[in-house]
Amino acid sequence: ELKVEQNPLFLSMQEGKNYTIYCNYSTTSDRLYWYRQDPGKSLESLFVLLSNGAVKQEGRLMASLDTKARLSTLHITAAVHDLSATYFCAVVNTGNQFYFGTGTSLTVIP
Amino acid sequence: KAGVTQTPRYLIKTRGQQVTLSCSPISGHRSVSWYQQTPGQGLQFLFEYFSETQRNKGNFPGRFSGRQFSNSRSEMNVSTLELGDSALYLCASSSPGGPGYTFGSGTRLTVV
Repeated sequence: ELKVEQNPLFLSMQEGKNYTIYCNYSTTSDRLYWYRQDPGKSLESLFVLLSNGAVKQEGRLMASLDTKARLSTLHITAAVHDLSATYFCAVVNTGNQFYFGTGTSLTVIP
Repeated sequence: KAGVTQTPRYLIKTRGQQVTLSCSPISGHRSVSWYQQTPGQGLQFLFEYFSETQRNKGNFPGRFSGRQFSNSRSEMNVSTLELGDSALYLCASSSPGGPGYTFGSGTRLTVV
């Protein structure tokens, strides 16, 4: 079974600082997703990474994918309070089944 | 364009009862997947439907079932509810030609 590990599980960072969330997965996959979830809300799609070396950026968030290392990163630049949320990575198997990471709960402190 | 619509948003049921949740995908999307989210187990895949056929099923007991209609709307049914079934149930839809999955707002089920 495909396993997805995220770290850290909890992240508290000051506004203006940079940090990276890591997502490792156990078997080959050609698609990796990053989602954001606010408390009590659904999952908001952030990025879809489809190939080795893919890099996507939106605002203060940048995601990358290394399929050889089975690693994706979500980099946060100059964090602001509005980025406080839980971030999930997810990998899809050939059967279109999502395997989600445990999530990283991010709190940005003023 | 309308997103994925899940109804109801909140539900409280008693142990032993059954419940049906509904999901209307984005227009044109034919694939609908269901997920259970709990604090202890995280997000877990329940099943996926495409063109009225179940394509994949997660590791859940037979009390969990689903179906998809010709208009791609999907329902999920849980019979003989247990306290541990309390969770946020999310559905997601995707189009055949694209990689993206859009999630609905979820149904929060509480079993008492």
